[in-house]
Amino acid sequence: GQQLNQSPQSMFIQEGEDVSMNCTSSSIFNTWLWYKQEPGEGPVLLIALYKAGELTSNGRLTAQFGITRKDSFLNISASIPSDVGIYFCAGQLGSGNDMRFGAGTRLTVKP
Amino acid sequence: DTGVSQDPRHKITKRGQNVTFRCDPISEHNRLYWYRQTLGQGPEFLTYFQNEAQLEKSRLLSDRFSAERPKGSFSTLEIQRTEQGDSAMYLCASSPSTGPDWEQYFGPGTRLTVT
Repeated sequence: GQQLNQSPQSMFIQEGEDVSMNCTSSSIFNTWLWYKQEPGEGPVLLIALYKAGELTSNGRLTAQFGITRKDSFLNISASIPSDVGIYFCAGQLGSGNDMRFGAGTRLTVKP
Repeated sequence: DTGVSQDPRHKITKRGQNVTFRCDPISEHNRLYWYRQTLGQGPEFLTYFQNEAQLEKSRLLSDRFSAERPKGSFSTLEIQRTEQGDSAMYLCASSPSTGPDWEQYFGPGTRLTVT
């Protein structure tokens, strides 16, 4: 099936550091999404990308959709303790019910 | 709070028992999705409703699983004869009829433990 490979699996960083995580796939996606999930909660959409090469920012978050539509990265600048959580990439192949998620990057921010 | 709500939040059941979960989507969202999330993994799509019509079911949705959305508002997911492998977080999401269908709002999930 169309699997999304997300890396790294986990990150331990100091408050104030910048973070970068990425996602690759062998499949071409129409839309690429980044979610954050905190313990005991459902994922929350952070950024959506739907144009190849698109670079989009949302506050301290920046994400880019790869030119081949097979990869994406998410950067978080000047991390703060509330950035702690699991970050998932997700790719939409066709319609909204055809969404594939990566396994997540668990982020820990040390104060 | 007008977000997606799910009930119960946690369910512990013995193998072989039936369980039912409920999802209340955001008001007037006509699209509703069920996902399953196992530990250390991202959500996996189970099924999709547009209003009361169940339009798609994943191969993950075995014949022990059934989902309904009788009036196009809340939805239920029932698992019959639960197995230990059914232990997971069951997430519901909804999406407005206007706007892109990838714009899904997730509920907090129901964590199922089968002993």
